Amino acid sequence: KQEVTQIPAALSVPEGENLVLNCSFTDSAIYNLQWFRQDPGKGLTSLLLIQSSQREQTSGRLNASLDKSSGRSTLYIAASQPGDSATYLCAVRQLGDTPLVFGKGTRLSVIA
Amino acid sequence: GAGVSQTPSNKVTEKGKYVELRCDPISGHTALYWYRQSLGQGPEFLIYFQGTGAADDSGLPNDRFFAVRPEGSVSTLKIQRTERGDSAVYLCASSLNPTSGGGSYNEQFFGPGTRLTVL
Repeated sequence: KQEVTQIPAALSVPEGENLVLNCSFTDSAIYNLQWFRQDPGKGLTSLLLIQSSQREQTSGRLNASLDKSSGRSTLYIAASQPGDSATYLCAVRQLGDTPLVFGKGTRLSVIA
Repeated sequence: GAGVSQTPSNKVTEKGKYVELRCDPISGHTALYWYRQSLGQGPEFLIYFQGTGAADDSGLPNDRFFAVRPEGSVSTLKIQRTERGDSAVYLCASSLNPTSGGGSYNEQFFGPGTRLTVL
């Protein structure tokens, strides 16, 4: 059974810092991996989707990498801003299956 | 264009009552998913529809939970004899075609969720 772990559970950084969020998964037979953002009391906003054949995806200040063989992904946020404060969730989709398996998330606070 | 919408946004009910939660997917999306998110946890899969049929309902916790999608668009999640442990945020997502070869077709887009509280 696929398990997704996100470290750290919570992170607080001063504005302007570059930071890395980590995601690991136990079964490397994945189809893709998605990073989401969730604001308090809100739904999920898709940030980046990486197909299993890809190594990374970039959107603005965000860069997500995927190392499928080692079961790891990282989300890099450059020049963090207070508006980046939210919970970041990592989710994987297995081969031949469609539901996403989520980690518990990393709660990020960017202090002005 | 319009995203995934869910109604109601909040639902408070008493233990033992019946509730229905509604999801309107993005127009043209053939796949629809229901997830449940408890406080401090990531979403957990409940059921997935491809068109009108439930392709995978392995995540439904027990037979009190049931979902339908009669016309391949709007879906309703139904919970009978609610229990306090059913309290959670129920999330709905849709995607274009989860079985296609790649690209953005299998990217899932989520609605804002329905917060269910069972007293």
